[in-house]
Amino acid sequence: GAGVSQSPSNKVTEKGKDVELRCDPISGHTALYWYRQRLGQGLEFLIYFQGNSAPDKSGLPSDRFSAERTGESVSTLTIQRTQQEDSAVYLCASSGSPGTGGGAKNIQYFGAGTRLSVL
Amino acid sequence: RKEVEQDPGPFNVPEGATVAFNCTYSNSASQSFFWYRQDCRKEPKLLMSVYSSGNEDGRFTAQLNRASQYISLLIRDSKLSDSATYLCVVRRGGTYKYIFGTGTRLKVLA
Repeated sequence: GAGVSQSPSNKVTEKGKDVELRCDPISGHTALYWYRQRLGQGLEFLIYFQGNSAPDKSGLPSDRFSAERTGESVSTLTIQRTQQEDSAVYLCASSGSPGTGGGAKNIQYFGAGTRLSVL
Repeated sequence: RKEVEQDPGPFNVPEGATVAFNCTYSNSASQSFFWYRQDCRKEPKLLMSVYSSGNEDGRFTAQLNRASQYISLLIRDSKLSDSATYLCVVRRGGTYKYIFGTGTRLKVLA
């Protein structure tokens, strides 16, 4: 597709249930990021994938959160045993192979996000 | 102290005004700087990259001061459509991790 696609756009779940969020990056983009944005707050880094390198998981808030990516395609973010504090918009972004300098490859393009509400 | 700090605002300005935002970052090894715009309940979208020499895109001018570790965004001749939250983004040096400021909210009033 032309842009980053995320599904579902909205998800309402009950506390304690597992949820799976999907991100389809821009074709050819090797880097993929997940962020969390709570209401009225800034973006919080969760995890980063770059090609076949080991992902940077340093932003995952607890072991209830995990993410996978197959090659340079779709990624899924899984939240197990959801809690009310997990309610937020989960944003996915992709970029070309980021380099050490500036330039277009460092620009992240975002999907519209998944709005998660945990009741 | 946050790694990237912005004044949350809101900045309320009349149409046609010039408004400037600053953003400071604490990691001196930071590389790659950007301004993103985020409309209410929408995803962030790139406004412009920020280069060391400063750069301009129409009514928008961005500057980087590495010595003082801040970047700025100047908006001239503000339009109602400029109303949004402006996010300062910095790539942490030696990594591919991007740190987002919490954003500065701008309201342009008719």
